[in-house]
Amino acid sequence: DQQVKQNSPSLSVQEGRISILNCDYTNSMFDYFLWYKKYPAEGPTFLISISSIKDKNEDGRFTVFLNKSAKHLSLHIVPSQPGDSAVYFCAASALGGTSYGKLTFGQGTILTVHP
Amino acid sequence: DTEVTQTPKHLVMGMTNKKSLKCEQHMGHRAMYWYKQKAKKPPELMFVYSYEKLSINESVPSRFSPECPNSSLLNLHLHALQPEDSALYLCASSRASGRTDTQYFGPGTRLTVL
Repeated sequence: DQQVKQNSPSLSVQEGRISILNCDYTNSMFDYFLWYKKYPAEGPTFLISISSIKDKNEDGRFTVFLNKSAKHLSLHIVPSQPGDSAVYFCAASALGGTSYGKLTFGQGTILTVHP
Repeated sequence: DTEVTQTPKHLVMGMTNKKSLKCEQHMGHRAMYWYKQKAKKPPELMFVYSYEKLSINESVPSRFSPECPNSSLLNLHLHALQPEDSALYLCASSRASGRTDTQYFGPGTRLTVL
């Protein structure tokens, strides 16, 4: 049972345009969400996070939007740069119980930014 | 500095070998994690250590044995592995093990079991 889903395996964008990566979740106990970027042969790099008490968080070129009623979040990258080309993982953690410290990851979306 | 280091970078071992993966962080983090990542799949949590005590074991087979000698170091001892255990093994650390503590990942060890 995949609790965090990234339905687009890949996304191709022109340099300078907006990249929008989407993530859906099914577990209503998830209340903290993160985006990681991963280059080949490297570990995931933390990009940005959002708590369920917010609907938007912004850091430079990266903005994450959370729609709790739809159980959907998205990462916007503006403007996109060729160096942003990587695999992007959405991850979630749940409130309480034995789930502390456990991140559940989506399958990842490969972003390619063309010059 | 958000650096987590892992050694070795690559490891090839036979099914009868015993080897260890090492992870180190000097950020003063008190939670450390082992993840396993297969090709084209997301990372899967294996173990969580909080204040040097094992707090989560995600039903990992006993041929994987974690150890946390101190707050900066995390080892994963491997014994009698199977070829299907070949994967990228990622270590991560966070300030604490709460759900809002951002986890920072190392570069991983690429393990091949022959």
